[in-house]
Amino acid sequence: EPEVTQTPSHQVTQMGQEVILRCVPISNHLYFYWYRQILGQKVEFLVSFYNNEISEKSEIFDDQFSVERPDGSNFTLKIRSTKLEDSAMYFCASRDIGDFYEQYFGPGTRLTVT
Amino acid sequence: AQTVTQSQPEMSVQEAETVTLSCTYDTSESDYYLFWYKQPPSRQMILVIRQEAYKQQNATENRFSVNFQKAAKSFSLKISDSQLGDAAMYFCAYRSLTSGTYKYIFGTGTRLKVLA
Repeated sequence: EPEVTQTPSHQVTQMGQEVILRCVPISNHLYFYWYRQILGQKVEFLVSFYNNEISEKSEIFDDQFSVERPDGSNFTLKIRSTKLEDSAMYFCASRDIGDFYEQYFGPGTRLTVT
Repeated sequence: AQTVTQSQPEMSVQEAETVTLSCTYDTSESDYYLFWYKQPPSRQMILVIRQEAYKQQNATENRFSVNFQKAAKSFSLKISDSQLGDAAMYFCAYRSLTSGTYKYIFGTGTRLKVLA
């Protein structure tokens, strides 16, 4: 069964460094999402992406964040200058255009900013 | 803005017993969807069950069922005949019908331990 994959599973970076989190959505899906969960807190929506552009973003998704679909398979989240408070689990999800209900999630990338 | 609250950070259940996970939400909308997702350790979140707010009948999927109380804004998940494979993090999620992007609003999750 097709799955959403994410790499790396764990990323450690120093404060101020740029980091790119990678996701490979399910191949025929057209809607893509990033969520994050700071330890002990809610899973929060960051951004949705469709037709090569951002369709919605949350307050968290400021100028430090960007998303890109550089080719036909990858969907990336870039944080330009990481802060300590960016430490979290980041989940990618994708959805088929015909699927009204379900988003399919990746296993997450744990980002640790030191 | 909508919010989802899961007040039980962790629950335990004996194998073969029944457990109920709680979820409450806040919204001013009348139509929406609610979901329970399960995340086994180091694995993807997978959909367990969904409920459309306009349906009065509670959703059921095999051993999983919900108790949807619209007026109370409550959406609990009941797992019957618990199995070791049910051990996971369970997330309750809300999805607005007016949001064109279909984004989810999640709770903090409940970690379920199943005791042999």
